[in-house]
Amino acid sequence: GESVGLHLPTLSVQEGDNSIINCAYSNSASDYFIWYKQESGKGPQFIIDIRSNMDKRQGQRVTVLLNKTVKHLSLQIAATQPGDSAVYFCAENNQGGKLIFGQGTELSVKP
Amino acid sequence: KAGVTQTPRYLIKTRGQQVTLSCSPISGHRSVSWYQQTPGQGLQFLFEYFSETQRNKGNFPGRFSGRQFSNSRSEMNVSTLELGDSALYLCASSLNGYEQYFGPGTRLTVT
Repeated sequence: GESVGLHLPTLSVQEGDNSIINCAYSNSASDYFIWYKQESGKGPQFIIDIRSNMDKRQGQRVTVLLNKTVKHLSLQIAATQPGDSAVYFCAENNQGGKLIFGQGTELSVKP
Repeated sequence: KAGVTQTPRYLIKTRGQQVTLSCSPISGHRSVSWYQQTPGQGLQFLFEYFSETQRNKGNFPGRFSGRQFSNSRSEMNVSTLELGDSALYLCASSLNGYEQYFGPGTRLTVT
C-alpha cells in the first residue's frame, strides 16, 4: 500500500552561498545537542556537537548556535558545496545514550 | 580507528518470523544505542546498552529486545515480525552515551 512519509522541509542554496538550517528542540532539560548529516543509503554522520553551557561552537566550515531561551538550534554551513547536499538532523540528549531527533531538513545545493 | 559496523546490511523476512541484527561498536566504546528509521516516523530511539546493561529504553513493544556482550558488541532481536517493522535499523556507539557515531544500518523488509 501507499506509505506516508514525513514532509521534510527543504532548503535550496546556490553553491558557494552560506546555508542556515534551523531546529527547535523539545526538552528544556536537554544538556547536549548534535547535528548529523545523512546521505541517501548511509547512516547519520556526526558533524558537530554543543553542550548547553555554550551558545556557539565552530568547526570546519560549520557553526552551531544554541538559544536555550527559545529552545532553538541552528547549523550554519559556510561556502556550501554540492557534497553538502543531504538531510540534516538535529538531536537532543538529556538521558545519556538516548538521542531525540528532529524531523530533518533536506539541503539541496545547486551547482 | 574502524567505524561502527552492522550486519547484515539487508534482510528480507516474512511476517511472523524473528530477526537478529548485530552491531560492532568503535573500539573502546562501551555504549551502544539502537534506532529505527522510517519515512513516516523518522528516527526513533529503541534502547541503549552500556557495559552489558540496558540503561535506557524507548517506547517500543516488548517484541523488540537487545543485549550487549562483554566485548561491547550488541545485538537486537525483533520477534513476530509485522509489516510495520520494515525500516532501517541503526546502531550508534559512544564512550558514554553522548557523542554517538552511527553505523551504516540494516535495511529490514518484512513481507
